[in-house]
Amino acid sequence: NAGVTQTPKFQVLKTGQSMTLQCAQDMNHEYMSWYRQDPGMGLRLIHYSVGAGITDQGEVPNGYNVSRSTTEDFPLRLLSAAPSQTSVYFCASSYNSGGNEQFFGPGTRLTVL
Amino acid sequence: KQEVTQIPAALSVPEGENLVLNCSFTDSAIYNLQWFRQDPGKGLTSLLLIQSSQREQTSGRLNASLDKSSGRSTLYIAASQPGDSATYLCAVHNTNAGKSTFGDGTTLTVKP
Repeated sequence: NAGVTQTPKFQVLKTGQSMTLQCAQDMNHEYMSWYRQDPGMGLRLIHYSVGAGITDQGEVPNGYNVSRSTTEDFPLRLLSAAPSQTSVYFCASSYNSGGNEQFFGPGTRLTVL
Repeated sequence: KQEVTQIPAALSVPEGENLVLNCSFTDSAIYNLQWFRQDPGKGLTSLLLIQSSQREQTSGRLNASLDKSSGRSTLYIAASQPGDSATYLCAVHNTNAGKSTFGDGTTLTVKP
């Protein structure tokens, strides 16, 4: 199993540009989530999904969109990038939302100029 | 709102020492607590998962305990090695809305 994969590893955007961060898992996990990690602020939940076709907002959803058309994929879209979105983004998955072990991807380091 | 605190924020020890990392949380309505390790520039690696009904879990030199009633968990590392140097994060998975809350982590340095 590849586990949780994320692409790209690094990305530089200009303010106002849009892009999609990709996340995929091959463990047939129902629950997937996106976090951002910033110095001094820890990991914060952006959006999560409890299954295909179902998504919900986390702690810091503004400026981000998600969709879950398949069990395997959970892309995160930045609609109009802002410097405040400079961060490291992690995707995670677990068997379901009932508190199973979470597995994390390697992260995407995003810089918005 | 669940709050997770990890103390100390940083810890430096000589190789071979046994050490304890602390994690406290404010709301005991949790499914489980998970300890992670994060190396610089890398993702999070799961170390141990303790279900809310359990008291402890062990893996090799690591032992994690959970006292849900007092809102505390500890990660015990025996015979520390330089390779244990990393940031250790704890996360609680809340029964309310099924979301996880992370602590800010403890950065451990083990000196040879």
